[in-house]
Amino acid sequence: DQQVKQNSPSLSVQEGRISILNCDYTNSMFDYFLWYKKYPAEGPTFLISISSIKDKNEDGRFTVFLNKSAKHLSLHIVPSQPGDSAVYFCAASAGWSYIPTFGRGTSLIVHP
Amino acid sequence: DGGITQSPKYLFRKEGQNVTLSCEQNLNHDAMYWYRQDPGQGLRLIYYSQIVNDFQKGDIAEGYSVSREKKESFPLTVTSAQKNPTAFYLCASRAGQNSNQPQHFGDGTRLSIL
Repeated sequence: DQQVKQNSPSLSVQEGRISILNCDYTNSMFDYFLWYKKYPAEGPTFLISISSIKDKNEDGRFTVFLNKSAKHLSLHIVPSQPGDSAVYFCAASAGWSYIPTFGRGTSLIVHP
Repeated sequence: DGGITQSPKYLFRKEGQNVTLSCEQNLNHDAMYWYRQDPGQGLRLIYYSQIVNDFQKGDIAEGYSVSREKKESFPLTVTSAQKNPTAFYLCASRAGQNSNQPQHFGDGTRLSIL
């Protein structure tokens, strides 16, 4: 039973446009959310996170939005660049565990 | 230059053979983790260790074993009991046992069956 769901396996976007990657979760105990970026044959690298006490966190071109009532978060990349092409994993953890549960990932392709 | 080193990058296992994947970190992190990634799947937790000489099973520990004799090292053994070992294995570490610090990952080991 997936507690963290990324329902879009892939996303294709034109360079310069906005990329929106979505993530849903089922466990209401989750209170910390992270996004990781992964290139082929490499380990994931941390991108951005958000605590449940916030509904938005921004870092340069990357913004994460959290909608607790809908148990939904999204990662916005503006503007998208070809170097953003990678697999993006959403992860969530509960305050008592600190061990994240990962989604299956969304493969983003940014076309020049 | 701190980081996590996994070796080897590629590994082949014969039927009935145990193999050990290495993971070393020089970040002085307390917690270390092993994940398995299969195509189209997320990262599934195999084992984790919050402190030296202590470790716990994750979601898919069957057929695997670990040790944590040193803070910087967390080797994973894939035993012959693991019937489907072909996967990409990722090691991670994190500062602090109880914190929301993000994990740092190594570049993985791809294990294949001969």
